Amino acid sequence: DSGVTQTPKHLITATGQRVTLRCSPRSGDLSVYWYQQSLDQGLQFLIQYYNGEERAKGNILERFSAQQFPDLHSELNLSSLELGDSALYFCASSVEGYGTDTQYFGPGTRLTVL
Amino acid sequence: GQNIDQPTEMTATEGAIVQINCTYQTSGFNGLFWYQQHAGEAPTFLSYNVLDGLEEKGRFSSFLSRSKGYSYLLLKELQMKDSASYLCAVSPTDKLIFGTGTRLQVFP
Repeated sequence: DSGVTQTPKHLITATGQRVTLRCSPRSGDLSVYWYQQSLDQGLQFLIQYYNGEERAKGNILERFSAQQFPDLHSELNLSSLELGDSALYFCASSVEGYGTDTQYFGPGTRLTVL
Repeated sequence: GQNIDQPTEMTATEGAIVQINCTYQTSGFNGLFWYQQHAGEAPTFLSYNVLDGLEEKGRFSSFLSRSKGYSYLLLKELQMKDSASYLCAVSPTDKLIFGTGTRLQVFP
């Protein structure tokens, strides 16, 4: 158990819908990262927050958005969902958010878009 | 651009030693990480190298050569539970770039 929690574990929805994924970092960690992992694809970095502020952006679609709240939990919002958005979405956290920090991953949310 | 290469699949026998290679080309370097990921589960941290050389941690060791853009993960005394994907990741800045992973199957 990494100490990072994610809800929900599974999510099934229809094309065109909007969903929100939630993540709570390990106690003491200030930085949160979001990743997408599709079948046969590696982990794709989406976005990073540090202490409530966006720090780095990866291959995140305009239909996706995220934020980190004052209590440091984070939410990833996915809208106008398409079949291709079906994937495992992981949240990770680290202490300071530097490249030398180890990232600890949550159990993931499996999103299925029908 | 950023590029990380690993073999797609490897097989080995229980009790044996296996070496998983990773080569990278990135615009910066803050270190190289290895993670283990069982199917459908979260990646779990195995090792971190930022200086050249070998880091040993129990049955697992990781090596780095920054001048060659090369790392390997060495797994000794393989067990069935080591069947998993092994992900090589490099941090050129504050974010991690992952390779597509090496799927290791351990047979009895």
